Amino acid sequence: NAGVTQTPKFRILKIGQSMTLQCTQDMNHNYMYWYRQDPGMGLKLIYYSVGAGITDKGEVPNGYNVSRSTTEDFPLRLELAAPSQTSVYFCASNQLAGLYNEQFFGPGTRLTVL
Amino acid sequence: KNEVEQSPQNLTAQEGEFITINCSYSVGISALHWLQQHPGGGIVSLFMLSSGKKKHGRLIATINIQEKHSSLHITASHPRDSAVYICAVSLYGGSQGNLIFGKGTKLSVKP
Repeated sequence: NAGVTQTPKFRILKIGQSMTLQCTQDMNHNYMYWYRQDPGMGLKLIYYSVGAGITDKGEVPNGYNVSRSTTEDFPLRLELAAPSQTSVYFCASNQLAGLYNEQFFGPGTRLTVL
Repeated sequence: KNEVEQSPQNLTAQEGEFITINCSYSVGISALHWLQQHPGGGIVSLFMLSSGKKKHGRLIATINIQEKHSSLHITASHPRDSAVYICAVSLYGGSQGNLIFGKGTKLSVKP
């Protein structure tokens, strides 16, 4: 199993450009998440999904959109990139079952907006 | 005030030392997680615990539910333990399943 994979690993965008961060998991997990990590801060939840076709906003959703057409894929879309979106983005998944909630993380995407 | 607080923020140790990282939380939780993030960014889960103590090799995690406090201990520390250690919690009754994260503790172990 590859686990959770993310592409690209690095990207530089100009202000106003758009891009999609890809995330795929092969563990058949229903729950998937996008977090961002800023220097000196804890990871913050951007969007999450509890299954194919179901998504919802997290703590910091402004400037982002997501979709979940399949169990495996959960892409994150930035429409009009801004310098405030410079961050490291992590996709994660789990199979929430009672108290069991181990999360599996992708390797991250380092995004710089200039 | 953050829901999950870690201390210290930075920690430098000599190889072989016993290390303790602390985590306090202010919300009801179903589980507490300790994660490790190496330079280069990947995040891996070390422990998930809801009571008592867990041990894996030289790493020990404890939790005191009444005091809302957890500790991560590393015995006989080694330079390869250098990483950021992150405490995170799953909210009690949380149907979303996401974690609430502390800011992390950056550990550097010198040879």
